[in-house]
Parts: sequence; C-alpha cells; structure tokens
Amino acid sequence: GQQVMQIPQYQHVQEGEDFTTYCNSSTTLSNIQWYKQRPGGHPVFLIQLVKSGEVKKQKRLTFQFGEAKKNSSLHITATQTTDVGTYFCAADNTNAGKSTFGDGTTLTVKP
Amino acid sequence: GAVVSQHPSWVICKSGTSVKIECRSLDFQATTMFWYRQFPKQSLMLMATSNEGSKATYEQGVEKDKFLINHASLTLSTLTVTSAHPEDSSFYICSAGTGFRDLNFGPGTRLTVT
Repeated sequence: GQQVMQIPQYQHVQEGEDFTTYCNSSTTLSNIQWYKQRPGGHPVFLIQLVKSGEVKKQKRLTFQFGEAKKNSSLHITATQTTDVGTYFCAADNTNAGKSTFGDGTTLTVKP
Repeated sequence: GAVVSQHPSWVICKSGTSVKIECRSLDFQATTMFWYRQFPKQSLMLMATSNEGSKATYEQGVEKDKFLINHASLTLSTLTVTSAHPEDSSFYICSAGTGFRDLNFGPGTRLTVT
C-alpha cells in the first residue's frame, strides 16, 4: 500500500527558532493534509494542499506541496511554546478521503 | 460548524467483553466516516471506512468480525470491539466531514482492556 515517510521524528528547538517537518510519498498524491495533535488531544486539521507547487500560509506556518505532488513541508517561523505537539501529514492518492498518515514529527519548544 | 463527538471518551473493560464506541456528526450529515486507531506515540492507522446504509470497508489486516461497524444514520457511526483483549487497548478516533476536503476528527475514545 501507499507509504508516507515523515521526518524528522522528533525536533527540539529553542523558542524563537524555526521548525520544518517534511513528508514524502513514493506515489503521486491527489492531495495532502496537515494536522496538529497536542499531547493528550486529538488531531486538528490545519490545511489541505491540492495543486502542484502550492504554497499556503497561516500566520507563522507555511505549507508547501511539491511540484511533482510527492512531497510536502510544514515550516513554522519563530516557534512559540504553544506550537508544541505532534504534526502529522496525511496523504491521499485516491481523492476518496482515505488518507494515509505519516508517523508524525513531535515538536518540543524550550522557553 | 463541522463538530464530531465521540462517546465514551474513555472506557475500561475486562478481557472477553465487548465495547461500543459512538461517533456522531453534530451539525452536519456524514455519508462517510472513518475509524482510526492510534497506539501510544504512534501515528493514526485507518481501520475502516464507514458508509451510511451499506457495509463498512475494512483495511487490510483489520478483522471485520472483531471490529463491527454500523453506520445506521447520516449522523451516527458505531464501532464495537468484540471479545476485547489487552492488545486492543488503544485510542480510537473517528473522522467525518461534509466533503473529503475538510475532515474533522472526534476527540477520541481511550480503551483499556484489563
């Protein structure tokens, strides 16, 4: 089945530093979603990318979808302690809503 | 809008018993809901796709006779873990949306089997 690789698994940063997590697929994707899960919480939808080369921004978060629609990244500028949690990408290559989740990147921010 | 609830939020049961988990879309109708399982410090694994009015579609390796899914209405899907064993202890999460581009997750149900 489809595999989605997400790196790094863990990232520890000092508050104010930037953070990036990457998601790679072996197959071309219909779309990719990003979610954030706080410790003890449930995944919360952040964004969906559909178009090749698409770039979307949400305040300090920048999401990119690769030109080949096989990879994506989430970049956080000037991290804050409220950014802590695990960030998952979820890739759909069927456009049927059935997404495969990456293993997630757990971000910790030291104040 | 697009709120998804789950009940119960946590449950402890004895080995061999069955547990039912409900997933409800509170302010929209969901023809399709998805059930995921998440073990500690792991990612979400899709178990099955719940289709209103028809049989669920299970992912490879998921026992359909053990994890019974019923999607009786456009706002309710249930997952029943039958003859639960300790290895079934996990965080079960459902998701639903008004379309495939805005799935919303429920708060999850933590199942502990003793």
